[in-house]
Amino acid sequence: AQSVTQLDSQVPVFEEAPVELRCNYSSSVSVYLFWYVQYPNQGLQLLLKYLSGSTLVESINGFEAEFNKSQTSFHLRKPSVHISDTAEYFCAVSARGAQKLVFGQGTRLTINP
Amino acid sequence: DTAVSQTPKYLVTQMGNDKSIKCEQNLGHDTMYWYKQDSKKFLKIMFSYNNKELIINETVPNRFSPKSPDKAHLNLHINSLELGDSAVYFCASSQGPLSSYEQYFGPGTRLTVT
Repeated sequence: AQSVTQLDSQVPVFEEAPVELRCNYSSSVSVYLFWYVQYPNQGLQLLLKYLSGSTLVESINGFEAEFNKSQTSFHLRKPSVHISDTAEYFCAVSARGAQKLVFGQGTRLTINP
Repeated sequence: DTAVSQTPKYLVTQMGNDKSIKCEQNLGHDTMYWYKQDSKKFLKIMFSYNNKELIINETVPNRFSPKSPDKAHLNLHINSLELGDSAVYFCASSQGPLSSYEQYFGPGTRLTVT
């Protein structure tokens, strides 16, 4: 079975500062990894995913995440955040070829002006 | 032109009642899901259907019964509601049943049981 731990429940940062949201996973088999974002009062949206190939994956709005197999991590980073990035961020894992996603507890990113 | 829609958005009801939540997707996807998000934002899958067939059925009380009349719809009926059923329920859809496919989520239904 897979599990995900998001190490921070809340991360407050100032606008234009860099941010890192941490995600560690546990699995005995190869995995796919995902970051989903939930803006206030909305459903989740896929931000980025790692399936195979390059361990560094990027989103269209400046976020990136790096798959680190040795540390079983998939941390999400952005070099300069905007007020509009305020949201809940969920890391998720699944076994390769599986049907089910397992989500972490979420990290609330709050951007202060 | 909402991709995944749910009704109602809010549902307040008393313990013991029976209620339904409806979900529709217009993306032409084959797979649909129900998730439960509790008060701590923890999101867990409940059910998944692929081409109207149940493919994931987590350890959910049998008071919860999903129904998929066609590929575009997945409804959730809950019998004998309990206080612990209070949560936000999300419907989602994807092109196929494998986790590698992006899941598209609806806006959620906030269920409050009093």
